[in-house]
Amino acid sequence: QVQLQESGPGLVKPSETLSLTCTVSGGSIRSYCWSWIRQPPGKGLEWIGYIFYSGGTNYNPSLRSRLTISVDTSKNQFSLELRSVTAADTAVYYCARGIVYDTNQLDYWGQGTLVTVSS
Amino acid sequence: QSVLTQPPSASGTPGQRVTISCSGSSSNIGSNYVYWYQQLPGMAPKLLIYRNNQRPSGVPDRFSGSKSGTSASLAISGLRSEDEADYYCAAWDDSLSGRPCVFGTGTKVTVL
Repeated sequence: QVQLQESGPGLVKPSETLSLTCTVSGGSIRSYCWSWIRQPPGKGLEWIGYIFYSGGTNYNPSLRSRLTISVDTSKNQFSLELRSVTAADTAVYYCARGIVYDTNQLDYWGQGTLVTVSS
Repeated sequence: QSVLTQPPSASGTPGQRVTISCSGSSSNIGSNYVYWYQQLPGMAPKLLIYRNNQRPSGVPDRFSGSKSGTSASLAISGLRSEDEADYYCAAWDDSLSGRPCVFGTGTKVTVL
């Protein structure tokens, strides 16, 4: 059974960089597309971006200037870096698996991790 | 902000049929597949419907999706207490740089 687990600091200071890693177990990171989605407390879902196992990416235009998503196939992990964060970046961050030919078909999700931006 | 509009809430009694709408435009729903996700309280979202009307294995056939023009709908028939959750539609949007995914505003379904 495929499982995804997010990890990283739960608290980040304003203007610093938010870094999260998603570890994939029970299956290979190859041949799929890997996404990040976030949800501010009490609000709806926001798509952040995705990366193919081969390294190709697609980012939310509203975050593109601050965002980097990378993949490490040797560790079966992919990561998110969001720079210059503000309180508006406070959210539960989810990682999810998508199908390469249907990247919005997110069939496995991590449990989510809350990241709070505060001094 | 979301470009896909859903009603904030919907409700029904056990056994009833509930329908949730998702309104978009020609650049998203009108020209791309629609997906539906269910988010139970305190849990991660779960894929409910993909490619407008396809159900992943394990999703009961009480859930069905449809699309017409620039709108889509999710129907839950034979409503059960465990269906109480938030539901989100999603689609790609061709009008935005990079063709990003956009989610709907979300609908909270309450079983009375």
